[in-house]
Amino acid sequence: AQTVTQSQPEMSVQEAETVTLSCTYDTSESDYYLFWYKQPPSRQMILVIRQEAYKQQNATENRFSVNFQKAAKSFSLKISDSQLGDAAMYFCAQSGSRLTFGEGTQLTVNP
Amino acid sequence: NAGVTQTPKFQVLKTGQSMTLQCAQDMNHEYMSWYRQDPGMGLRLIHYSVGAGITDQGEVPNGYNVSRSTTEDFPLRLLSAAPSQTSVYFCASSIGGWETQYFGPGTRLLVL
Repeated sequence: AQTVTQSQPEMSVQEAETVTLSCTYDTSESDYYLFWYKQPPSRQMILVIRQEAYKQQNATENRFSVNFQKAAKSFSLKISDSQLGDAAMYFCAQSGSRLTFGEGTQLTVNP
Repeated sequence: NAGVTQTPKFQVLKTGQSMTLQCAQDMNHEYMSWYRQDPGMGLRLIHYSVGAGITDQGEVPNGYNVSRSTTEDFPLRLLSAAPSQTSVYFCASSIGGWETQYFGPGTRLLVL
């Protein structure tokens, strides 16, 4: 069975600073994707970044980047130059035989 | 494109009532799925479909039925609502496989 664990229920960061959200997963699949989704108070699920497991290069999207450690089954999200609009619940997810989500990390951005 | 749409946005049911949550997508996606979101538990897969006429169970299927008669629509039926089904329900679609999911806005369901 696939499991995804986010060990930080809450995180906070000062505006303009950098924060890293942690995620570990466990799977027997050899081919899979990893995702970070953002859920603001509007409840809409928004894709932040995606990583294909077969790619060694870490994905980046503007201020968002990941540190993908396949052997350690770790997939952390780094947000640089944090903005007030980054405040949201962040979910890590892993695909394989199906899509499995972590419990989420609530990120607060302080002005 | 409207993307993935869900109706209603909010619904209150009494225990034992039945209802259907509607989901539609206009992106010609093959995969569609239903999730429920409960506090502290992330999103859990209820049922999914890999194409018209094909459905399968997810992690928490009990108490829910689905069917997929067209590519566009994937309704979720609650047969006899229970308070444990109070949750936020999300529908999602993807081009194929468990790739990037496109989510609807969610339906908040309260069962009294």
